[in-house]
Amino acid sequence: EVQLVESGGGLVRPGGSLRLSCAVSGFTFSNYEMNWVRQAPGKGLEWVAYIDSRSSRILYADSMRGRVTISRDNAKNSLYVQMNSLRVEDTAVYYCVREAEGSGSKFDYWGRGTLVTVSS
Amino acid sequence: SYVLTQPPSVSVAPGKTARITCGGNNIGVKSVHWFQQKPGQAPVLVIYYDSARPSGIPERISGSNSGNTATLTISRVEAGDEADYHCQVWDSSSYHVVFGGGTKLTVL
Repeated sequence: EVQLVESGGGLVRPGGSLRLSCAVSGFTFSNYEMNWVRQAPGKGLEWVAYIDSRSSRILYADSMRGRVTISRDNAKNSLYVQMNSLRVEDTAVYYCVREAEGSGSKFDYWGRGTLVTVSS
Repeated sequence: SYVLTQPPSVSVAPGKTARITCGGNNIGVKSVHWFQQKPGQAPVLVIYYDSARPSGIPERISGSNSGNTATLTISRVEAGDEADYHCQVWDSSSYHVVFGGGTKLTVL
């Protein structure tokens, strides 16, 4: 069974940093491209970042570029996102999302998400 | 940047057909994916590549894409279909994944 489990969310002050993790199981992690997607309270989905299977191609949404770093450790079956200079508007549930092989952004499995609250 | 436009809400009576649109400039040349999201849950892929259904998704749910509009159609709507629905594409011009704003489907 495919599982993606996010962790690391919580309350952080504006300007602070947070590192989210996603532990995966049930599939060969090293074969898959991965993404982070977020959803602010009561709002729609917003793509945050993408990383290919070998970490050779990385893409970021404009809203977080320069403040976010996506990474992965295939040996540990884990995906990460480091977020810096956090703003109130970064408050959201952050989802770890698998992209189907060779699919062109077909997001076939999602974690349950971890809530990040940026507030003073 | 590429923009996808969805109606904020759609209402339909049980047993009727719901159509949720996703508008974008020449979206017909892109592959559109649709997600269903129930309150407090993660999104679930219900349609990919415009009209394909993942295993486990009922045939009542279908998709189409042409011109400037993609459409998610839910036939014989049930109370359990009440959810938010999001469309999504890959924009090759900006190298960005783009989501629509989401549509809340209410079953009357």
